[in-house]
Amino acid sequence: DAMVIQNPRYQVTQFGKPVTLSCSQTLNHNVMYWYQQKSSQAPKLLFHYYDKDFNNEADTPDNFQSRRPNTSFCFLDIRSPGLGDAAMYLCATSRQAMNTEAFFGQGTRLTVV
Amino acid sequence: AQSVTQLDSQVPVFEEAPVELRCNYSSSVSVYLFWYVQYPNQGLQLLLKYLSGSTLVKGINGFEAEFNKSQTSFHLRKPSVHISDTAEYFCAVSQYNQGGKLIFGQGTELSVKP
Repeated sequence: DAMVIQNPRYQVTQFGKPVTLSCSQTLNHNVMYWYQQKSSQAPKLLFHYYDKDFNNEADTPDNFQSRRPNTSFCFLDIRSPGLGDAAMYLCATSRQAMNTEAFFGQGTRLTVV
Repeated sequence: AQSVTQLDSQVPVFEEAPVELRCNYSSSVSVYLFWYVQYPNQGLQLLLKYLSGSTLVKGINGFEAEFNKSQTSFHLRKPSVHISDTAEYFCAVSQYNQGGKLIFGQGTELSVKP
């Protein structure tokens, strides 16, 4: 089945140690998104790629970066994770077209110790 | 800018009872409207969407929602809930033609009791 796959499902990292979360898709969608969802909160958009064009939300911390080497893959890099970065990170994809919606992966739960 | 308000943070209900989860939005432009469900430690699954056309939208698992433009509401309903419907439900909006760039409400925790 075509889908959005996030690896790993659970990630534990040390305070200040760089960490990378990955997302892949078989939907061939040209838009990919990263959302951050802290405990008991709504998901919040960090940034998105429209093809190779990177779009950062205004309040996304500089500590968060992203790479999209090709249509299928997108990575979230956290350069120096703090305790406040512990959250569920959700990847999503969509077609940039009318009458479309986002398809989400299962998420990666990040713990910072 | 758009915003979403889910009027109930928690909704407890007995099995086989009807339920309504309320959602209001504000926007100065045309929007798409969505309801997503999230089970513990899982991603978001789309329940239903309003993009255009009929204001009554039917989704998966027996859920439906009605878009009311005059009241800027998009309430989710199910006539008879099951234990398996226990989950967090998120209402979301996106600007017209940007269906994946979502602004979410704070979520409603639906708890179905036997």
